[in-house]
Amino acid sequence: EVQLVESGGGFVQPGGSLRLSCTASGFTFRSYWMSWVRQAPGKRLERVANMNEDGSEKYFVDSVKGRFTSSRDNAKNSLYLEMNSLRVEDTAVYYCARVRSFGPSYYYFDQWGQGTLVTVSS
Amino acid sequence: DIQVTQSPSTLSASVGDRVTITCRASQSISFWLAWYQQRPGKAPRLLIYDASVLESGVPSRFSGSGSETEFTLTISSLQPDDFATYYCQPYNSLSPFGQGTKVEIK
Repeated sequence: EVQLVESGGGFVQPGGSLRLSCTASGFTFRSYWMSWVRQAPGKRLERVANMNEDGSEKYFVDSVKGRFTSSRDNAKNSLYLEMNSLRVEDTAVYYCARVRSFGPSYYYFDQWGQGTLVTVSS
Repeated sequence: DIQVTQSPSTLSASVGDRVTITCRASQSISFWLAWYQQRPGKAPRLLIYDASVLESGVPSRFSGSGSETEFTLTISSLQPDDFATYYCQPYNSLSPFGQGTKVEIK
């Protein structure tokens, strides 16, 4: 059974930092593009970042470029999202998702974690 | 960027009803569209990809159709588990998810 388990969410003040983790099991993690998708309270889903199989290609939504970085450790079946200079508008549930990809610009998500809540507030 | 518009935003229906949700794209996206179900407090679940292909394990009462700019998700006979929010998603990374359609109990 495919499982994606996020952790690391929490409460942080504006300007602060958080590191999210996603641990995968039940599939060959190193063979898949992976993504982070977020959902602000009451809002639609939004792609945040995605990364290719070995971490050499990374793409970010414009609103987080320069503030968020992502990485993966295929030996640990883990995906990470480092979030810096957090803003109130970054408040959301962050999901780790497995990608079915047709390249870096065309993809959808076939497996999702349960999400971890990030709250940015003063 | 290609935008998508889902309609309706809310839909009230009863168990057993046939339900149709529409997603319209501002430009042709061929068949590059997925549909997701999200129950309250839960992660999204892939239902349909390539506009009309049922994901493994998804009940056959769900179906997708359309191409180019107009797409539909149909639930042939609404079940209690189906009361949820549904999102369409063009594959293009520059296109946002649809704004969602909440299917609620009538």
